[in-house]
Amino acid sequence: EVQLVESGGGLVQPGGSLRLSCAASGFTFNTYSMHWVRQAPGKGLEWVSYIIGSSRTIYYADSVKGRFTVSRDNVKNSLYLQMNSLRAEDTAIYYCVRDFYGDYVPDALDIWGQGTMVTVSS
Amino acid sequence: QSVLTQPPSASGTPGQRVTISCSGSSSNIERNYVYWYQQVPGTAPKLLIYRDNQRPSGVPDRFSGSKSGASASLAISGLRSEDEADYYCAAWHDSLSAHVVFGGGTKLTVL
Repeated sequence: EVQLVESGGGLVQPGGSLRLSCAASGFTFNTYSMHWVRQAPGKGLEWVSYIIGSSRTIYYADSVKGRFTVSRDNVKNSLYLQMNSLRAEDTAIYYCVRDFYGDYVPDALDIWGQGTMVTVSS
Repeated sequence: QSVLTQPPSASGTPGQRVTISCSGSSSNIERNYVYWYQQVPGTAPKLLIYRDNQRPSGVPDRFSGSKSGASASLAISGLRSEDEADYYCAAWHDSLSAHVVFGGGTKLTVL
């Protein structure tokens, strides 16, 4: 079964850091590009970041550029999101998502994890 | 304010056909593919339409996508109660700061 399981969410103070992880299974992880997408409570979807299988191409939303870093470990079949200088507006459910066709340009976000909640508050 | 514009709400009765619009620009919808996602409250989003009008396996043919210029539409025919959900359009926005953009979402109510 194709599956994505996020972990690492929690409560953090403004200015703090958090590292999210996503464990992938059921598919050849290193051949797929991956995304992080977030959703603030009661709000719509917001794309965060994208990384291709080789990690040679990476994109970020302007709202997180310079603060968040996406990475992957193809040996461990895992995707990561290092989040620094966190702000209240980063409070959201963070989804790990597989891209079915994407390479240099993202394509269909076909498999979504269940999400992990990040709350930034003092 | 989302880069892609969707109506905040839509509604229909069982069996009816409804459409949800998504308006963008030359930097996104006009020259890149459009995708549609369905999100039932409390669950993760699900891919509904990819590359403007393609359905993943398992998605009923009641769902269809179309695009014209810088606008796209999702049509749902034979509306069913289980179609009540939030629907989001998305596209690649290729500008100086390239990124994926989502519409603000449309809440579909089945009356």
